Amino acid sequence: RKEVEQDPGPFNVPEGATVAFNCTYSNSASQSFFWYRQDCRKEPKLLMSVYSSGNEDGRFTAQLNRASQYISLLIRDSKLSDSATYLCVVTGPGAGSYQLTFGKGTKLSVIP
Amino acid sequence: GAGVSQSPSNKVTEKGKDVELRCDPISGHTALYWYRQSLGQGLEFLIYFQGNSAPDKSGLPSDRFSAERTGGSVSTLTIQRTQQEDSAVYLCASSFPNKNTEAFFGQGTRLTVV
Repeated sequence: RKEVEQDPGPFNVPEGATVAFNCTYSNSASQSFFWYRQDCRKEPKLLMSVYSSGNEDGRFTAQLNRASQYISLLIRDSKLSDSATYLCVVTGPGAGSYQLTFGKGTKLSVIP
Repeated sequence: GAGVSQSPSNKVTEKGKDVELRCDPISGHTALYWYRQSLGQGLEFLIYFQGNSAPDKSGLPSDRFSAERTGGSVSTLTIQRTQQEDSAVYLCASSFPNKNTEAFFGQGTRLTVV
């Protein structure tokens, strides 16, 4: 089983739509969780951290379900500029490890 | 106050030649990662360095690939006897090894093997 799994997409959504991505991870000892964004031909950059209580940053909401070992990202009122690949990231492998493990990413295209 | 710096930004090499890719992490970042990304594909983990600990080399695809990190700072990824399937963007990232730390990526080296 891969350590971090994501649906590669692509998700093609119209402007203004709400879209959600899920990610599952295999290392139950993972302590930290993140979503990164990668624009075409650019390097990945941190979008937001994911906290146990869930967190929101403007139109973006991240949730963590430790029992089921999955993370979600919800984007409301999609903009054209949201088109990118979204990478799920967890710490591990190994308990207590801060090594970051990246998923392969989910591609989002927001269309006019 | 630079970010992660990688050189060269582009490299074209002939099949069978050796190449060296360099990464200068952010000062003070003890964790350093190498990834590669083929066109339209996801990140493929290669190697992880953390301080003086033994590196995690589990992602290196073959013994033609090696990496070192001198003095806990600059890292070099070496590919020997390059093959066409080695063509990809090689990305380096660095971070503090703490909970909720952010990893910062360089802009990558685009390697083309002809």
